[in-house]
Amino acid sequence: GQNIDQPTEMTATEGAIVQINCTYQTSGFNGLFWYQQHAGEAPTFLSYNVLDGLEEKGRFSSFLSRSKGYSYLLLKELQMKDSASYLCAAGGYQKVTFGIGTKLQVIP
Amino acid sequence: GAVVSQHPSWVICKSGTSVKIECRSLDFQATTMFWYRQFPKQSLMLMATSNEGSKATYEQGVEKDKFLINHASLTLSTLTVTSAHPEDSSFYICSANYGGQGNTIYFGEGSWLTVV
Repeated sequence: GQNIDQPTEMTATEGAIVQINCTYQTSGFNGLFWYQQHAGEAPTFLSYNVLDGLEEKGRFSSFLSRSKGYSYLLLKELQMKDSASYLCAAGGYQKVTFGIGTKLQVIP
Repeated sequence: GAVVSQHPSWVICKSGTSVKIECRSLDFQATTMFWYRQFPKQSLMLMATSNEGSKATYEQGVEKDKFLINHASLTLSTLTVTSAHPEDSSFYICSANYGGQGNTIYFGEGSWLTVV
C-alpha cells in the first residue's frame, strides 16, 4: 500500500521561496509526482522524479531521496497565482496514490 | 502536448437516474485510463483502472455495479454512475498515462456531479 504525508496548509509571502515537503511509504514505488490543483479544477502536472536529486523547471524545482522516502517541491519568486493545493503522489505506471495536498496561500 | 478531455464539466441529475461521463485522450492512445473521485477538501481517491478491451479493475470499496466503466477504444473511457444518490455528488476526474514508462500523467478537466 501507499502512505503519503504532507502538510495540510502553508502560507508564504509574494516574492518569497517556499518548500513543501512530502514523505512516503510505498510498495512498488517507481517515481514521485507533484501536481498543482486550483480550487474546483483538475490537477495540473508539475514534475515527476524517478532518480534521486533535484530537478529544476523554471520557478519550480522538485527533489527526491528514494532512500529516505522524501521529496520536496520548491517554489521560487512566489506569485499570487501560485495559491493552490499542491499534491504529492507516489507510484508508477499502473497506480498512483495521492497525498491529501498542501494548500498554499500566497499573501502580498 | 498530450491532452485528456472530459465531458460534461458539470451535470445535475435527479436521484435514481444514471449519468455518463466521458474521458477522451485527444492526441494519443491510452490503453489504460484511471478514474478518481474527489470530495471537498479531500485528496484524489482512485476508483478504478479502465483497461481497453477488458474489464475495469476496481479499488476496494468501490461498487462495480454502481460505477460502470467501459473502455471501448484506445481513446475513450466512460464512467456511468447508476442509480445516483446525493452522496455520489462529487468531482470525478479521469487520467491517462502519456509515455510508456508513465512519466507523465495527464488529467481530464474533471466533472462535477450533483445529485438532487
